[in-house]
Amino acid sequence: GIQVEQSPPDLILQEGANSTLRCNFSDSVNNLQWFHQNPWGQLINLFYIPSGTKQNGRLSATTVATERYSLLYISSSQTTDSGVYFCAVKAAGNKLTFGGGTRVLVKP
Amino acid sequence: EPEVTQTPSHQVTQMGQEVILRCVPISNHLYFYWYRQILGQKVEFLVSFYNNEISEKSEIFDDQFSVERPDGSNFTLKIRSTKLEDSAMYFCASMMGETQYFGPGTRLLVL
Repeated sequence: GIQVEQSPPDLILQEGANSTLRCNFSDSVNNLQWFHQNPWGQLINLFYIPSGTKQNGRLSATTVATERYSLLYISSSQTTDSGVYFCAVKAAGNKLTFGGGTRVLVKP
Repeated sequence: EPEVTQTPSHQVTQMGQEVILRCVPISNHLYFYWYRQILGQKVEFLVSFYNNEISEKSEIFDDQFSVERPDGSNFTLKIRSTKLEDSAMYFCASMMGETQYFGPGTRLLVL
């Protein structure tokens, strides 16, 4: 099956810093979503982005489908950005395959 | 904004007991899913459900698991005889179009 690798596994940021999270996938996909898992365990939809670039406030994402990667940018990070960020892709069928996540800690 | 809901939020059970996890998908969504996340690990697909039948299932989804849509709104996951390794967060999701929307999860602890 498709492999999804996220990097870095852990990220510690000072409040106000910018960061880039990466998601690599091993095969063509027709769906890619980014999620934020908050400290209560909830998975919050950030982006549906199978290709191209999208922005939502301080967050933006870019997927280059032909090169099999996606990037999530966090600008001017805040303590509420802490949590785990997951990339998930859909290749064959309808299931999402998740990466291992990037654990982000934003320090005040 | 419509959202997926799940009950209970937490459940503690004894090994060997049956549990039923409940989900109310977003109205008008056509595809329904269960995923699980063992503590500290990645989210794993269990099963997808469309048109009142299972459309895909993973190796994890063995004979101990079953899903049902008993009425027009609920979607349930049953674990017949729980094992210690079933302890995890269970997420329900629904999809219309291409985006899957996840519920808040049920944290299951098997003792």
